[in-house]
Amino acid sequence: AQTVTQSQPEMSVQEAETVTLSCTYDTSESNYYLFWYKQPPSRQMILVIRQEAYKQQNATENRFSVNFQKAAKSFSLKISDSQLGDTAMYFCAFIDNAGNMLTFGGGTRLMVKP
Amino acid sequence: GAVVSQHPSWVICKSGTSVKIECRSLDFQATTMFWYRQFPKQSLMLMATSNEGSKATYEQGVEKDKFLINHASLTLSTLTVTSAHPEDSSFYICSARDPGAGGDYEQYFGPGTRLTVT
Repeated sequence: AQTVTQSQPEMSVQEAETVTLSCTYDTSESNYYLFWYKQPPSRQMILVIRQEAYKQQNATENRFSVNFQKAAKSFSLKISDSQLGDTAMYFCAFIDNAGNMLTFGGGTRLMVKP
Repeated sequence: GAVVSQHPSWVICKSGTSVKIECRSLDFQATTMFWYRQFPKQSLMLMATSNEGSKATYEQGVEKDKFLINHASLTLSTLTVTSAHPEDSSFYICSARDPGAGGDYEQYFGPGTRLTVT
C-alpha cells in the first residue's frame, strides 16, 4: 500500500516571501502521479499542481513549483511571493498508474502573515 | 475545467433519521466517483469508490449498510447515511474522475457537505 507523509503540520510565512512544504511517499510502483491540493477555509479542494513520475522535469504553475526527487520519493511544493490568499491547508496526494485510489498526506496548514 | 457539485452543502438531521447527499458531474460523464469523509483539521479519508452501474467498493472499516452509495447514472452518485447518529457528523466530499481527460487520473472535487446530526 502507498503512504504519503507530510512532516510539517503547520507553517507560516510572511507575505511576499517563499515557503517550501515537504512531502514524502512510499510506493513500489515505477509510474504514478503526484498532486498538491489546496483546501482554503471554504473547504473546496483545489488542484495546485501535478507531476507525472515518468517526467524528470519539475512541474511549475505560476508561483507554485515542485522539487520532485524520484529516487528519494520526495515531492516538495515551493510557493514564491506568498499571498494572503495562499492561506490554506495543503495536501500532497499520490495515485498509481491504475488510477484506483488517491492517497492523501496528513496535510500542512499554511498561514501567510501580512 | 470539470465541475462537480454537491447538494446539500449543509444539512442538519435528527438522530435516527436518514439523509441523502448528491454528487453530480456537471460537464462530463463520470464512470467513477469517490466519497471521502473529513474530520476537522484532518485529511480526507476515502470511504468508497462508486462505479456507474455496479456496486460500490467500500474501504475497510466503512459500514456499507450505514453508508449506502448509488451510482445510477454517469453524472450522479448519491450517499445515504442511514439511521444517522451524532458520531456521523462530519464533512463529506465527493470527487469524480473524467475519463476523457486523458491518463492523468486527476479527480475533480465537489464543494463538500457538512452533516450535523443532533
